[in-house]
Amino acid sequence: GAGVSQTPSNKVTEKGKYVELRCDPISGHTALYWYRQSLGQGPEFLIYFQGTGAADDSGLPNDRFFAVRPEGSVSTLKIQRTERGDSAVYLCASSPGLASYTDTQYFGPGTRLTVL
Amino acid sequence: GQQVMQIPQYQHVQEGEDFTTYCNSSTTLSNIQWYKQRPGGHPVFLIQLVKSGEVKKQKRLTFQFGEAKKNSSLHITATQTTDVGTYFCAGLWGYQKVTFGTGTKLQVIP
Repeated sequence: GAGVSQTPSNKVTEKGKYVELRCDPISGHTALYWYRQSLGQGPEFLIYFQGTGAADDSGLPNDRFFAVRPEGSVSTLKIQRTERGDSAVYLCASSPGLASYTDTQYFGPGTRLTVL
Repeated sequence: GQQVMQIPQYQHVQEGEDFTTYCNSSTTLSNIQWYKQRPGGHPVFLIQLVKSGEVKKQKRLTFQFGEAKKNSSLHITATQTTDVGTYFCAGLWGYQKVTFGTGTKLQVIP
C-alpha cells in the first residue's frame, strides 16, 4: 500500500508567480491536512479537509493561499503572488477520518518551495 | 493562539546515555501527540496520550502526560544512533487543530 505522495518534491519559483502543490493521500483516508514547515520549526497547520469540504481553514495565512479537494481524494494547495516568505516545506498528511484531529496522521514527504 | 513550548531545542548525547524532551502548555490540553522526524524526512507519528497522568512505553521510549494535562515528556533510555532526529510534541485542545511544538533535535555521538 502506498503512503501519502506529494508532487513536485521541489519547486523553485519567482516572486509574484502562482504555484500549485499536489497531495495524493492514502487510499480510503477521508481526512487530509496541509502544513507548512519552516527551517528549524515544527509543522504549522494550514487547512483540514473532511471529504471534499474544508472543515477548518483557520491556518491559511492570507487570501493568497487556497486549497481544494474536489473529489475527496487528491488535494491541491494553490498559492498566488508568491512571496519570499512563502519559502518552506509544505507537508500533506492524511488520516482515516474517524476522529478528526485525534486520528493518527500519516505525512507525505513534502514539497520544498523556494521563492526567489 | 494556543502554543506548546518544547525544551531543550538541541541535545547532544553519547550513545548509551538517556535523553528527555519536555513539552509545556499554558492551558489544559485534551490530547498530546508525539512525532519523530529524521533528518531530511517527514514527521512520523509515535504515540498519542489522552488521560491525565498517563504513561506509555514503546521499547526504550517512555511517554508521560502530566496530571494537569499541561505538560508531557518523552524519555529515551540508552540512546542509539538510530534515535537521531527531531522529536515534536503536538497539542490538541478539544476538536481544534493540532499545534506542534518547536521540536528537540537529538544528536547521538557514537
